[in-house]
Amino acid sequence: QKEVEQDPGPLSVPEGAIVSLNCTYSNSAFQYFMWYRQYSRKGPELLMYTYSSGNKEDGRFTAQVDKSSKYISLFIRDSQPSDSATYLCAIPGGGTSYGKLTFGQGTILTVHP
Amino acid sequence: NAGVMQNPRHLVRRRGQEARLRCSPMKGHSHVYWYRQLPEEGLKFMVYLQKENIIDESGMPKERFSAEFPKEGPSILRIQQVVRGDSAAYFCASSPPVPDTEAFFGQGTRLTVV
Repeated sequence: QKEVEQDPGPLSVPEGAIVSLNCTYSNSAFQYFMWYRQYSRKGPELLMYTYSSGNKEDGRFTAQVDKSSKYISLFIRDSQPSDSATYLCAIPGGGTSYGKLTFGQGTILTVHP
Repeated sequence: NAGVMQNPRHLVRRRGQEARLRCSPMKGHSHVYWYRQLPEEGLKFMVYLQKENIIDESGMPKERFSAEFPKEGPSILRIQQVVRGDSAAYFCASSPPVPDTEAFFGQGTRLTVV
């Protein structure tokens, strides 16, 4: 079983839609959960991170963690064409470093006008 | 403050040649991480280095791959005797010597083996 699993999509939605991106993980000891966004031919950039369970909101983005079911989600409200990218969930491991990450496969999102 | 710089951005090598990928971390960052992104796969951790030390190489293939981060100069990921299966995007990330801080990624080097 992979440590982090993510549906690769692709996902295509109309502009203004609410997007739900999801990952599952296997190790109940994980505490930090991250979402990265990667535009085509670019490096990943950190979008949001959450600690333990609960929600975290940043503008149109909401990250949610459900530790009981080992499920993490990223919601995008009022999606825009500029949100078209690959979204990767990630879990840090390896001591106190947030640089050693286990990534999901990534979900390719297209928001069409 | 310039971001993580990787060069070259694109590299073409014939089978059997050597590939050298360079990564200059952000100013003040002494931790470097290398990742590989194969087509249709996610990002996979390869190696974590600090200045002059390899901290974690659990993701490095056992043969042909090596990495270094010297006291002066960029970090280098070296692939000897490249094969077609090495064609991928290689990303470098860096972070400061402070616990629980984000690592920032470079734009990657796209290696094509012909």
